[in-house]
Amino acid sequence: NAGVTQTPKFRILKIGQSMTLQCTQDMNHNYMYWYRQDPGMGLKLIYYSVGAGITDKGEVPNGYNVSRSTTEDFPLRLELAAPSQTSVYFCASRPTTSGDTYEQYFGPGTRLTVT
Amino acid sequence: GNSVTQMEGPVTLSEEAFLTINCTYTATGYPSLFWYVQYPGEGLQLLLKATKADDKGSNKGFEATYRKETTSFHLEKGSVQVSDSAVYFCALRGNSWGKLQFGAGTQVVVTP
Repeated sequence: NAGVTQTPKFRILKIGQSMTLQCTQDMNHNYMYWYRQDPGMGLKLIYYSVGAGITDKGEVPNGYNVSRSTTEDFPLRLELAAPSQTSVYFCASRPTTSGDTYEQYFGPGTRLTVT
Repeated sequence: GNSVTQMEGPVTLSEEAFLTINCTYTATGYPSLFWYVQYPGEGLQLLLKATKADDKGSNKGFEATYRKETTSFHLEKGSVQVSDSAVYFCALRGNSWGKLQFGAGTQVVVTP
């Protein structure tokens, strides 16, 4: 299993450009999450999905959009990039039934800089 | 709402030293508590967990005890190695969709 994969690893955008951060998992997990990690701020939840076709907002959804057409893929879209979106983005997934752990499995991250 | 506060880093230690990273939380009800670790260039990995008061989570020589009376979940390791250099995140799970609330992270640097 590859686990959770994210592409690209690094990206530099100009203000106003758009891009899609890709996330794919091969563990057949229903739950998927997008986080951003800012220095000294921990991880903040952007969007999450409980299954194909179902998405919902997290703590910091403004400026982002998601879709979930398949169980495997959960892309994150930035339509009009702003410097405030400079961050490291992590995708995570977990199975529906995970006992009492609710362990999330994380991808390696995408480092995005908007200038 | 829920929140997690952990000590700021970086924490710099010599090999074989004792490590403590403080974590306190604010939450309603009885959250589950976690420590995640992020090694350089990688995503986060679950290190250990505790799901109820007085539970002790342990893994790879690390331990943390769920203290409801002090709302704390401090991480400890008796003898650190250079390979323990990483960023450590304390987190709690509330009751909604398994969402996690993370602390800011504490960078640990272990020198030979």
